[in-house]
Amino acid sequence: NAGVTQTPKFRVLKTGQSMTLLCAQDMNHEYMYWYRQDPGMGLRLIHYSVGEGTTAKGEVPDGYNVSRLKKQNFLLGLESAAPSQTSVYFCASSYSFASPQSSGANVLTFGAGSRLTVL
Amino acid sequence: GQQLNQSPQSMFIQEGEDVSMNCTSSSIFNTWLWYKQDPGEGPVLLIALYKAGELTSNGRLTAQFGITRKDSFLNISASIPSDVGIYFCAGNPYSGGYQKVTFGTGTKLQVIP
Repeated sequence: NAGVTQTPKFRVLKTGQSMTLLCAQDMNHEYMYWYRQDPGMGLRLIHYSVGEGTTAKGEVPDGYNVSRLKKQNFLLGLESAAPSQTSVYFCASSYSFASPQSSGANVLTFGAGSRLTVL
Repeated sequence: GQQLNQSPQSMFIQEGEDVSMNCTSSSIFNTWLWYKQDPGEGPVLLIALYKAGELTSNGRLTAQFGITRKDSFLNISASIPSDVGIYFCAGNPYSGGYQKVTFGTGTKLQVIP
């Protein structure tokens, strides 16, 4: 029962390089999200998707692109990395609605994180 | 973007002590969530609250959804070393997807054996 899996776990980039973070979930969740976590800032939403083939901007979308070609996968891309994008990135997924009867199974489920350093 | 006021920012407590932390917001939420993050890991859901006034327990953890729908608290009783981590609250204004959920900045808990 894998839940949400992120790859890679660690990556070091030089300024201007590009890369893609991959998120995969096996819970048949409709919604998927990418967050970044910075010290003292909590979790901030970058982009999200409400279904296969759809994406939308979150709170801090600049410098990132996303794609959701398959329901179970959500990719986060950095076309030209900048030092300000040094952060820990978390993918999450959820169903489209909350239900108290699900005892939390339908709320946001997070991956283990991907630590990105941009030099 | 909007953020929740989560306090305290950090706590040092002795093993066996009880812990209390809270979140307040200027906005009304339909769902409150409490997560714990261990070092090097992603946040893991502890308790989900769906109704104003709701009081829910999960082992030694108890959380409440404030009557005004603008606050929530989490209590940990008889703390143990494995309670160490960062605790996040999160509020969702919808009953549906979590694209508008707001996270608190976290409470870092250290337990002294």
